[in-house]
Amino acid sequence: RKEVEQDPGPFNVPEGATVAFNCTYSNSASQSFFWYRQDCRKEPKLLMSVYSSGNEDGRFTAQLNRASQYISLLIRDSKLSDSATYLCVVNTGFKTIFGAGTRLFVKA
Amino acid sequence: GAVVSQHPSWVICKSGTSVKIECRSLDFQATTMFWYRQFPKQSLMLMATSNEGSKATYEQGVEKDKFLINHASLTLSTLTVTSAHPEDSSFYICSAAAIPASTDTQYFGPGTRLTVL
Repeated sequence: RKEVEQDPGPFNVPEGATVAFNCTYSNSASQSFFWYRQDCRKEPKLLMSVYSSGNEDGRFTAQLNRASQYISLLIRDSKLSDSATYLCVVNTGFKTIFGAGTRLFVKA
Repeated sequence: GAVVSQHPSWVICKSGTSVKIECRSLDFQATTMFWYRQFPKQSLMLMATSNEGSKATYEQGVEKDKFLINHASLTLSTLTVTSAHPEDSSFYICSAAAIPASTDTQYFGPGTRLTVL
């Protein structure tokens, strides 16, 4: 089993749609969680951290479920510019583990 | 925000040559830098963790004699791919931690795309 698993997608959605991604992790002692965005042939960029209480940043909402060991990312009112690969990232305290990413295509 | 640069951004070389990639933190001191490799449609894989002034810690399966890492200053780490072969062709990305030895806050360089012919 992979340490961090994501549905690779792709998710094809129209502009304005709401889309959700899930990610599961295997190490119950994992300490911190993030969502990164990676555009084609570019480096990953931090989208948001994920807190136990859940957090929101504009159209993006991230949630953490420690009991079930998964995190989620919800994107509302999708824009064309949201098209990218979204990486789930888990920090175990010793190292940072990246998921393989979920590809999102937002269409006009 | 913190800026990390990488040079070169892309390189094409012949099999058997060595390639050096530089990673610099431009506006902060990075006690710890990380080197990742990403193959197409795959996740970033940590290759090694580099601490200034000490030997790098390599992940399992990464040959330390093939991937030489030097972190001589608080703003510069280099990765040298020695005797590169086509299977080493990949996207190499460095990141730097602004907080000493922290894996939490990492700032990524733009990456170096290596193609070995």
